[in-house]
Amino acid sequence: AQRVTQPEKLLSVFKGAPVELKCNYSYSGSPELFWYVQYSRQRLQLLLRHISRESIKGFTADLNKGETSFHLKKPFAQEEDSAMYYCALRAGNQFYFGTGTSLTVIP
Amino acid sequence: EPEVTQTPSHQVTQMGQEVILRCVPISNHLYFYWYRQILGQKVEFLVSFYNNEISEKSEIFDDQFSVERPDGSNFTLKIRSTKLEDSAMYFCASRDTSSGEQFFGPGTRLTVL
Repeated sequence: AQRVTQPEKLLSVFKGAPVELKCNYSYSGSPELFWYVQYSRQRLQLLLRHISRESIKGFTADLNKGETSFHLKKPFAQEEDSAMYYCALRAGNQFYFGTGTSLTVIP
Repeated sequence: EPEVTQTPSHQVTQMGQEVILRCVPISNHLYFYWYRQILGQKVEFLVSFYNNEISEKSEIFDDQFSVERPDGSNFTLKIRSTKLEDSAMYFCASRDTSSGEQFFGPGTRLTVL
């Protein structure tokens, strides 16, 4: 069965500190993974997807098939990064979301 | 920039009543989705829709649920006889096939009393 796990429900870091939001998945096929972000009172929006291998707003995520992980990282957190972050996996035309991690960046 | 829109933003209904949640996807998108998020829980996939038919559906999407694209622009989710546990935020999304990125609507909060 497909599953996405985000072990941290809440994460707080100080401004300027590195941040890592963990995501692990289980999927028998070749995964397509995404990070979505939801800022306060805004809609869910795509942050990045593994196949594009790009950095958005300073965030990167590397797919590690050996560890079945897709952790989201940023070297220097900013206050505007405070938001809810969801890891998602696409299987066919279904998308599976993790439970989300609420990131708070402390000034 | 085009956006997915959803109406109403909040719907309150009595248990057993039918509700229709409406979505207008981005006009040139071909794949449409409904998700729900019960308060404090994760976003759950309900159904995907392509070429005027259901593409995939989850086990949550039982006979109480149906989707329709009645007029080429709207995409609706109907719940025939609402239950208390249907109270949730319902998100619509549409996908641009060239990039694969889903664009989400702002959601409809459904409260079943």
